[in-house]
Amino acid sequence: DGGITQSPKYLFRKEGQNVTLSCEQNLNHDAMYWYRQDPGQGLRLIYYSQIVNDFQKGDIAEGYSVSREKKESFPLTVTSAQKNPTAFYLCASSRTSLLNNEQFFGPGTRLTVL
Amino acid sequence: GQQLNQSPQSMFIQEGEDVSMNCTSSSIFNTWLWYKQDPGEGPVLLIALYKAGELTSNGRLTAQFGITRKDSFLNISASIPSDVGIYFCAGPRGTGNQFYFGTGTSLTVIP
Repeated sequence: DGGITQSPKYLFRKEGQNVTLSCEQNLNHDAMYWYRQDPGQGLRLIYYSQIVNDFQKGDIAEGYSVSREKKESFPLTVTSAQKNPTAFYLCASSRTSLLNNEQFFGPGTRLTVL
Repeated sequence: GQQLNQSPQSMFIQEGEDVSMNCTSSSIFNTWLWYKQDPGEGPVLLIALYKAGELTSNGRLTAQFGITRKDSFLNISASIPSDVGIYFCAGPRGTGNQFYFGTGTSLTVIP
């Protein structure tokens, strides 16, 4: 089955610790994205990558870092510099064509900072 | 920056009723996407629209790309309990592959 997987589903972290969220896709998509979702709000773009070994900051990149060493993988690190990291994190992927570039989402990771 | 305004913010309806929601933007789009998100899950793509005036169905769901290209509509006919969730619209930002997402319409279906 083609799709996007995120792990873990739930993650707890102590304040001051870095944590890495995993995102893997087997859809052969070039582009991958990370979003943050807070209660009652839409999706806010953290980082995106159009191609391996390249990524760009989104709207709320401060306190986050990413890497794109493989086409299938786009891990997100939430660093201790992120002031309010508790949120639901969503990974997505898409083609990079002008049309049919819909984004497909993973199941999400809920991060709670204790 | 670009804002996608979804309306209504929430809806409470009886099972069997039809549902209508819409999304408006401050600029012209060439694509409109509609997603549904179940609690604690990732959004699932329902319908993609690529042409002004286009009307596309997916089962009981029908979405339309507004003629002005600044709005889109989603209708659900004969609602059932599993329709419960948050519905998001999305439109492209810039010339890349990023999308703006609306703040969502929360749908509750009362059996």
